Amino acid sequence: EIVLTQSPATLSLSPGERATLSCRASQSVGTYLGWYQQKPGQAPRLLIYDASNRAAGVPARFSGSGSGTDFTLTISSLEPEDFAVYYCQQRSNWPPITFGQGTRLELK
Amino acid sequence: QVHLVESGGGVVQPGRSLRLSCEASGFTLSSYGMHWVRQAPGKGLEWVALISYDGTNKNYADSVKGRFTISRDNSKNTLYLQLNSLRADDTAMYYCAKDMGMVAASWGDYWGQGTLVTVSS
Repeated sequence: EIVLTQSPATLSLSPGERATLSCRASQSVGTYLGWYQQKPGQAPRLLIYDASNRAAGVPARFSGSGSGTDFTLTISSLEPEDFAVYYCQQRSNWPPITFGQGTRLELK
Repeated sequence: QVHLVESGGGVVQPGRSLRLSCEASGFTLSSYGMHWVRQAPGKGLEWVALISYDGTNKNYADSVKGRFTISRDNSKNTLYLQLNSLRADDTAMYYCAKDMGMVAASWGDYWGQGTLVTVSS
C-alpha cells in the first residue's frame, strides 16, 4: 500500500499570501497524484489531477507540481474561501486508492 | 449539471446491516466508474470501493473486503453499497463519487454530500 504523507499538518497564513502544501509518497506514483479541497460540512472537491492538471472550474491561483514521490500544491495568493483542509490522493498502485492525512490551511 | 444524492444512512447496532444508495443525475451513469469513500468523524478520507462502468469489476479496501458489497443499477441511475457485519469503526460519513474514467481508478470529479452511518449499541 502506498502511504502519502502531507506536510505541514497545519498551515497558518493570511489572505494574499502564498501557500505551499506538500505530499510525499512512500514509493513512486509517477504523476498519478491528485489534490482535493474540503470545507467544513462539505464534500471534497477535486482541484488537481495527474499532478498538475486543474479540474474544471478551478481558479488559476491553484497549481500542482511534482512527480515520483514529491508533490506540491501551490495557492499563489490566498482568497478567504481557500481556507480549508487539503488532501492528496494517489491512483498509481491500487487497490487501495490512498489519501494523505490532510493539511489544514487556517487563517492567521 | 452533475448531481449525486446519497441516502440510507442511520444508526445501526454492531453486527447489523445497512444498504446505502447514491442516485445520479446530469450525466450518463453507465459511462463511468463510481466510488464510495468514507470519513470518520473528525478524520481524513478513506477509499472504500470502486465499481467499473458496467459493474463487472469491483475493488475494495481491505478494511471492508468480505463485509461490504458495491453494486449498481444503471437503468435506475443508482449506485449501492451493502454494509454487512457492521462494526463501531465503520461509523463515518459515506460519500459516493463519480470517477473520471470507466474501468480503472481515476479521479473523483463529482461527489455527493454524503450519508452518515453510525454503528452503536
